[in-house]
Amino acid sequence: EVQLLESGGGLVQPGGSLRLSCAASGFTFSSYAMGWVRQAPGKGLEWVSAISDNRGGTHYADSVKGRFTISRDISKNTLYLQMNSLRAEDTAIYYCAKYEKVQEGSIRINNYYYMDVWGKGTTVTVSS
Amino acid sequence: DIQMTQSPSTLSASVGDRVTITCRASQSISSWLAWYQQKPGKAPKLLIYKASSLESGVPSRFSGSGSGTEFTLTISSLQPDDSATYYCQQYKTYWTFGQGTKVEIK
Repeated sequence: EVQLLESGGGLVQPGGSLRLSCAASGFTFSSYAMGWVRQAPGKGLEWVSAISDNRGGTHYADSVKGRFTISRDISKNTLYLQMNSLRAEDTAIYYCAKYEKVQEGSIRINNYYYMDVWGKGTTVTVSS
Repeated sequence: DIQMTQSPSTLSASVGDRVTITCRASQSISSWLAWYQQKPGKAPKLLIYKASSLESGVPSRFSGSGSGTEFTLTISSLQPDDSATYYCQQYKTYWTFGQGTKVEIK
């Protein structure tokens, strides 16, 4: 069974740092792109960051670019999100998600990724 | 950036009703659209991908349709367990969610 388990959330002051972890099991971690999605209290879902399966290419939402860093440790089957310079508006539940890849095209292949499995989330509160 | 707009924001329907949620993209996303269900205090759950493909294990009363900029999620016969918030998401260019549609049971 595919499982994702987030940890590392907590209360942090504005300007502080936090590192989230997501332990993956039940699938070949190195073969899949992974990412983070957050949900502020009472609000909708917001994509935060993603990391590709093979070459480790990374992508960020404009709201966190330059402050957050996504990474993965294949040997530990773990995804990370290093969050620096935290702001009150970063307060949210952070979900880890596994991506499923769909390929389109024959000569020129384009890859598209959707989130098929989600963890239960970890709560980050930024407040003084 | 691609914006996603869902309607309605909330709807109330009776058990057995046919329910339809609409999602519009600000530009064409072909069929690169997914639908998620989220219950209070829980993580989102994938229902539909590629606009109309049903995820394994999801009841057949859920269906998706559309392409380009207009999409719909239909629940053919609403059940008590379907009370939740539903989100559409485009994955043509990065990932953007709609604002959600809360479905309540009368």
